[in-house]
Amino acid sequence: NAGVTQTPKFQVLKTGQSMTLQCAQDMNHNSMYWYRQDPGMGLRLIYYSASEGTTDKGEVPNGYNVSRLNKREFSLRLESAAPSQTSVYFCASIHASSYEQYFGPGTRLTVT
Amino acid sequence: DAKTTQPPSMDCAEGRAANLPCNHSTISGNEYVYWYRQIHSQGPQYIIHGLKNNETNEMASLIITEDRKSSTLILPHATLRDTAVYYCIVRLNTGFQKLVFGTGTRLLVSP
Repeated sequence: NAGVTQTPKFQVLKTGQSMTLQCAQDMNHNSMYWYRQDPGMGLRLIYYSASEGTTDKGEVPNGYNVSRLNKREFSLRLESAAPSQTSVYFCASIHASSYEQYFGPGTRLTVT
Repeated sequence: DAKTTQPPSMDCAEGRAANLPCNHSTISGNEYVYWYRQIHSQGPQYIIHGLKNNETNEMASLIITEDRKSSTLILPHATLRDTAVYYCIVRLNTGFQKLVFGTGTRLLVSP
């Protein structure tokens, strides 16, 4: 049981480039989330998916798009990266009964 | 979801109990209190949660006041590896709920 996995672990982009952050969970959880965490700050919710086939905006969705590809996978796309998107990105899923949220190890993104 | 208030930082000596407070005065009757922690640069880790009764697991104890307006997370014998940011969150446990993180309490455990 790998839990929540994220790829890549590190990425450097130039302003204007695009990329997709991948997230997968093998716990059969319905709900998945994308957060960003800036240095010294708490986590902020970017997008979430309550169940397969649905996605919704969180607190800070501008500049991002998401795809819930299937129950396991939830990807986050930056269409035109900006320096303000330099951050650590965490994916998470939630257990339907206990409501415990499980987090991936994070993707450290730098936009120059 | 109800708002929570936590002190920005606390210190604790290794081997002593760490008591981390959280105020959630606007909590509604069916909202649970959750605690997570984030050790440097890692993803947050679930610790414990409760509704109204005190809870204990292998990591910590959670004490919720009778009026449910505040709670305390207790790490009974803090170790250096417990140095982390601790987040207190309240949420409903029905249907789909976003989990909103505040800025938490930075706990420093010293030798």
